[in-house]
Amino acid sequence: GNSVTQMEGPVTLSEEAFLTINCTYTATGYPSLFWYVQYPGEGLQLLLKATKADDKGSNKGFEATYRKETTSFHLEKGSVQVSDSAVYFCALYSGGGADGLTFGKGTHLIIQP
Amino acid sequence: EAGVVQSPRYKIIEKKQPVAFWCNPISGHNTLYWYLQNLGQGPELLIRYENEEAVDDSQLPKDRFSAERLKGVDSTLKIQPAELGDSAVYLCASSLQGGQTQYFGPGTRLLVL
Repeated sequence: GNSVTQMEGPVTLSEEAFLTINCTYTATGYPSLFWYVQYPGEGLQLLLKATKADDKGSNKGFEATYRKETTSFHLEKGSVQVSDSAVYFCALYSGGGADGLTFGKGTHLIIQP
Repeated sequence: EAGVVQSPRYKIIEKKQPVAFWCNPISGHNTLYWYLQNLGQGPELLIRYENEEAVDDSQLPKDRFSAERLKGVDSTLKIQPAELGDSAVYLCASSLQGGQTQYFGPGTRLLVL
């Protein structure tokens, strides 16, 4: 079956630090990959996505590249801000009759001023 | 464009009581999902609708959970009777039919005492 593995948190960084949150996946076929962000007390917001190998998704300074050879979709940002503090979820959608998104457990990111 | 709307945002009930959650998807989105999110975990799919048809409810605990989407727009998820272990966040999401990108509502946070 499908699965997503994320690095465990919490991840604590200082403002303006470089961020990497690791995500690897197992899936049949060629899934689409997503990063969602969840701010305290809110639902999930789509941050970025990539639908095929070597695609790079980007939004709000965050980037992730779909690496089929390593089955990875690591999230990066060059300079984090306090407002980036949230829980980040990596997810995949394999389609082809599979239903719904498969999520990782989430990574809690804490940015200190 | 309005996003996915859910109500109530919070609900506190005693065990063995019934509870219902409501979801209004993004206009034009034929596909609707209900997810369960336990504390510290990623969301897990409960049921998916294509228009008014439930196309996958294999993860829905049918002894106490039920869902409906009578006119293919709004949906209701019900638990009867609620148990302590049902305390979680219930998320609704929608997408275009066949679309890979799902958009989430803010969720209903349920606490069963």
